[in-house]
Amino acid sequence: QQQVKQSPQSLIVQKGGIPIINCAYENTAFDYFPWYQQFPGKGPALLIAIRPDVSEKKEGRFTISFNKSAKQFSLHIMDSQPGDSATYFCAASMGYSTLTFGKGTMLLVSP
Amino acid sequence: EAQVTQNPRYLITVTGKKLTVTCSQNMNHEYMSWYRQDPGLGLRQIYYSMNVEVTDKGDVPEGYKVSRKEKRNFPLILESPSPNQTSLYFCASSLYGVNTDTQYFGPGTRLTVL
Repeated sequence: QQQVKQSPQSLIVQKGGIPIINCAYENTAFDYFPWYQQFPGKGPALLIAIRPDVSEKKEGRFTISFNKSAKQFSLHIMDSQPGDSATYFCAASMGYSTLTFGKGTMLLVSP
Repeated sequence: EAQVTQNPRYLITVTGKKLTVTCSQNMNHEYMSWYRQDPGLGLRQIYYSMNVEVTDKGDVPEGYKVSRKEKRNFPLILESPSPNQTSLYFCASSLYGVNTDTQYFGPGTRLTVL
């Protein structure tokens, strides 16, 4: 049973474009929603995270939008750069101990 | 340098031959966890540990064991590996848990079981 559904699987945008990656969850007990960025050959790294009492969070060029009623959240990358090409994972947790990941989105930003 | 280290980084073994993947962190973190990453499946949590001597199952614990005898180390043990355990494994740690502070991942261990 997949508890966090992520789309699209892959995404190609031109430099300067705004890729959007979407995630949907089922369990309303989830209370923390992080996004991770993974470059080839590396471990994932925390990019940005949000809690359900906030509808939007920005850190630099990265923005999370959160829709609690729809049980959806998304990552927007403003002014995307070739260096943003990576795999992005959304995730969700309830409590301190477990983290459930989406299946990932491979993003390619063309020069 | 603050980091999570894993060894070995690459391992090819045969079915049934016991192996251990080590994980160590130098950040004095309480929480540590193991994940496996498979194409098209994302990352799935195997086991986690909230503190020394406290471990619990994640989503896919079958075929794995862990121990947490010291705060800095959290080895993953495959007592009788099978081909379906061929995967990329990541160890991670954070100060207190997954939702309170940054979780740092190691560089990964690519395991092939023949």
